[in-house]
Order: sequence, then C-alpha cells, then structure tokens
Amino acid sequence: AQSVTQLDSQVPVFEEAPVELRCNYSSSVSVYLFWYVQYPNQGLQLLLKYLSGSTLVKGINGFEAEFNKSQTSFHLRKPSVHISDTAEYFCAVITLYNQGGKLIFGQGTELSVKP
Amino acid sequence: NAGVTQTPKFRVLKTGQSMTLLCAQDMNHEYMYWYRQDPGMGLRLIHYSVGEGTTAKGEVPDGYNVSRLKKQNFLLGLESAAPSQTSVYFCASSYQSDRTLYNEQFFGPGTRLTVL
Repeated sequence: AQSVTQLDSQVPVFEEAPVELRCNYSSSVSVYLFWYVQYPNQGLQLLLKYLSGSTLVKGINGFEAEFNKSQTSFHLRKPSVHISDTAEYFCAVITLYNQGGKLIFGQGTELSVKP
Repeated sequence: NAGVTQTPKFRVLKTGQSMTLLCAQDMNHEYMYWYRQDPGMGLRLIHYSVGEGTTAKGEVPDGYNVSRLKKQNFLLGLESAAPSQTSVYFCASSYQSDRTLYNEQFFGPGTRLTVL
C-alpha cells in the first residue's frame, strides 16, 4: 500500500523568507508525485507535478520541488514567500497503472506567511 | 466553461436525515471522484467513477452511496447522516487518455456539511 507523510502540520514564516514543506512517501511501485494548494475556502489546484525526467520540478507562483528517489521524498520549496502564499499545501502520489487514477494525499501543511 | 461545480455550498443536517450532493463538470471528463477533507487527515477518497454508469469504492465508502447516470454528473448520497460525516466534501474530475498514465484532477470548490 502507498502512503504519504507531510512532516509539518503548520509552518509559520515571515514574508520574503525561504520556505520548505516536507513530504515523504512510501510505495513498493513507481509513483507520480504532486503538490496541490488550497487557498482559504477554495478547492484544490495543482501546483506542480513530477512524472519523469528531471528531478527538479518547477511549478506555478515560483514554487519548485525536488524528487529524491533514494530518500523517497518530494519536498516543496520557495526562495521568498509572499503573504498571498498563505494556504494549505497537500502532497499526493499516484501509482503507475493505477485503476481509476486514484490520488493518495498527505495530511496537509498549513503555510502561514506573516508580514 | 465553469469547470467543476458543486451544489450546495453549505448544508446543516440533523442526525438521521438524508441528502444528496451534486457534482457537475463541463469538461467531458471520464473520471470523477468524491473526497472528504477533515482536519489533520488530508483528503480521503469516498467513491469514484471511471465512466457513465460505473462506480467504485474508495478508501472511506461506508455511509455513502453514489450514482453516475450522466457523464457530466456525479451524485453523492447520505442515506442517514451521522455527526461523523461532518466534513468538507470535494468533487474532482479528470480526462481519460490512452496516451498518458496520469491526467490532472480538477477540483470543485467544496461543500461544507455539518451534521448535528
């Protein structure tokens, strides 16, 4: 079975500081990896995804993530955060050849950017 | 192009009442999903559908039923609501393609349900 663990439930940070949101996964088969963002009172939207190729993936709003197969991690980073980045962030995985395309989500990390 | 829409946005039920949540998508997507979101637990899959007339159980299906009579609609039913079903419910859809092994899921805005 697959599982996703987001190591921090809440991350407070000051504006213009760098941030890293940590995600580890467990799977016996190859996976695709994703980060979704949920702004207050909204649905989820895709931030970035890793399917294959370069292990450094760039997404929207200046976020990037690095896939590390040996450490089974997919940490999300941004060099300088803005107040508008305040949101909940979800890491998710899907196994290759998954029937129905079912995503498995982590518990979420609340990013709070303070002025 | 509205994307994925959900009806209603908010609802309060009493224990034992029933209700149906409606999800509609206008992107001609084959796959549709119902998730529930609870604090500290992320999103968990309730039921999903890979096409019109087909449904399957997800991770937490108990207490819920679904129907996909039309390709664009996916209904989630609670026959006898319980306080444990207080949650935010999200619908999502994705496009099936033989060329790729994965297609992005697009999410609706959510339905906040409270069961007293």
